[in-house]
Formats: sequence, C-alpha cells, structure tokens
Amino acid sequence: DAMVIQNPRYQVTQFGKPVTLSCSQTLNHNVMYWYQQKSSQAPKLLFHYYDKDFNNEADTPDNFQSRRPNTSFCFLDIRSPGLGDAAMYLCATSREGGNPYEQYFGPGTRLTVT
Amino acid sequence: KNEVEQSPQNLTAQEGEFITINCSYSVGISALHWLQQHPGGGIVSLFMLSSGKKKHGRLIATINIQEKHSSLHITASHPRDSAVYICAVQTGGGADGLTFGKGTHLIIQP
Repeated sequence: DAMVIQNPRYQVTQFGKPVTLSCSQTLNHNVMYWYQQKSSQAPKLLFHYYDKDFNNEADTPDNFQSRRPNTSFCFLDIRSPGLGDAAMYLCATSREGGNPYEQYFGPGTRLTVT
Repeated sequence: KNEVEQSPQNLTAQEGEFITINCSYSVGISALHWLQQHPGGGIVSLFMLSSGKKKHGRLIATINIQEKHSSLHITASHPRDSAVYICAVQTGGGADGLTFGKGTHLIIQP
C-alpha cells in the first residue's frame, strides 16, 4: 500500500564519498519534491520536478543534484557529502488538479556522514 | 519569503484534554498544510486548507486569511496523538514546495 517509497531508510556514507538516495511513487503524480530536514529543524525544500522540468531552490548547494528518469522515480545525488549534510531527506509528490496541490510524503531516508 | 511561526514549541498534556496548536505566517498564501511527523521521520498530511474550517475525526483545523493565522485542535486527546505537528504554507502556484514551521512537539500522557 506504500505510495511514496524511499530507499534506503538509513544510509551511512563517508565524508566526500558520493551517495544516491532513491524515491519512487505509485501515485502517477507529475510533481516530485526533495526536502532536507536537519536535526530539530524544519524541513527545507531543495528542489522539485514538475514533469521533467527541474526547479532548483536558489540556496540549494551545487553539491546536491537530482535526476528523474521517468514519472515514478526521482533520485537525490550528493556529490561530495560533508558532515553538515547529515539529515533526514524527505521525498514528496503531488499532482495537477486544482490549486494548490496536496503533497504526499515518503518515510524519509536518514543520512549519516562519517 | 514567508516566515512561519508555530506555538507552542512543546506541549505536554493529559489524556482527554483539548489541544490547540497555533500557526502564523507573514505573507499571503495559496494554501496552508497541517502535517504530523512521528519519531522516525515519516510525515503524514492531516489537512490542506485555504479558507474556513475542516474536520477529520477528532482533529479540527481553522484558518483566518485576514489575520494570517491558523489553528489545529485535537479533541479528547489520546497518547497515540503524541507526535510533532507541523504547519507549512504554499505561497505561489499549485506545484510550489512548502515552507515549514519548526513544529510543535506534543506529548499526551495517560
């Protein structure tokens, strides 16, 4: 029944070693979002895809990249993780139909950088 | 940029009490979301509203657009309601991402 799936749920990577987080959805939603939530802080939008159009937030570091090969999948790539990138990464989806769009969240991937 | 403020930051109450969590924002919005986050990270959408009031079970959400303020109420609170409750707003178009408040950590004691 899971609608927004994130893999893995927990990821440990080394300082500077590239890491990829995965999000998939069974809802056929055309919009997918990546949020970063650091400990005891509010989630912060990194970027989102509207169909194939990539929308980057102005203050998202270049170290963070994203790919969306098809409607169902979206990846978050961290090219050279630093200790400050340790956080919970949340994927969310929404679809067209009315304004605004309700967002559906995945369970998150908790990233640890050693 | 929209600033989203929630109060209180932490709330501990006894089972059965009526709970109110408040949210205010600084810039006109297209929608306000109330979300619930349990330990471990998963976020569940409780309400999305742009005017008036919505009710789902023991949860009630209201919004006053003129005052830029929303409240989330929980009636007959139960320990399973213990979670972080987050207010988030959308300022622009339908596909825009959310701007989140810092959340209210609610503990309901038996």
